[in-house]
Amino acid sequence: EIVLTQSPGTLSLSPGERATLSCRASQSVSSNYLAWYLQKPGQAPRLLIYDASSRATGIPDRFSGSGSGTDFTLTISRLEPEDFAVYYCQQCGSSPWTFGQGTKVEIK
Amino acid sequence: EVQLVESGGGLVQPGRSLRLSCAASGFTFDDYAMHWVRQAPGKGLEWVSGISWNSDYIGYAASVKGRFTISRDNAKNSLYLQMNSLRAEDMALYYCSKGSRATVTNPYFDYWGQGTLVTVSS
Repeated sequence: EIVLTQSPGTLSLSPGERATLSCRASQSVSSNYLAWYLQKPGQAPRLLIYDASSRATGIPDRFSGSGSGTDFTLTISRLEPEDFAVYYCQQCGSSPWTFGQGTKVEIK
Repeated sequence: EVQLVESGGGLVQPGRSLRLSCAASGFTFDDYAMHWVRQAPGKGLEWVSGISWNSDYIGYAASVKGRFTISRDNAKNSLYLQMNSLRAEDMALYYCSKGSRATVTNPYFDYWGQGTLVTVSS
């Protein structure tokens, strides 16, 4: 099973700042089948990025994904108030499909 | 608008059974695989099971294989999860999720329900 390790565990930033979140896989993710989700308190996760760098429908362009192989990054160029939440990465290159443990982006 | 509405959760004793349901609308249900993903209280996400559009292909996480059974009824736009021999570690919010493809392979989860809570306790 591919283990995804996200860092940092918590990111404390101010609105307008840039956020950089990391997701490292224990083995190479085939075809860069890597997604990012955002989860706000009391809500279901929402798909942000798939195939490592493609934005899902309706996702603003301040969200971008990059990376390949075992190292992936989610970047939020300028944090908006609604972006403060928990972010998960997920791989679907190898069954079982696994998630990282999450990175919490909190207001500084 | 895609809607996924789960039901069937509740309090159950260890070793007992529970059946979850998910009613889908707003998309062509039999064009897509469907999945169950769970989240233990205060914890992260865990994929539980997935089923292809025509039920030909099914997958389970190792933690539930042999105890849980996923199924779907395309005529009713519904997804199910039969959970037997429940354990304390199965306690979680169970989300129904639409897969991004017709097959269960390489899935992204592009729409989610609000979840149904399963509590396992004596």
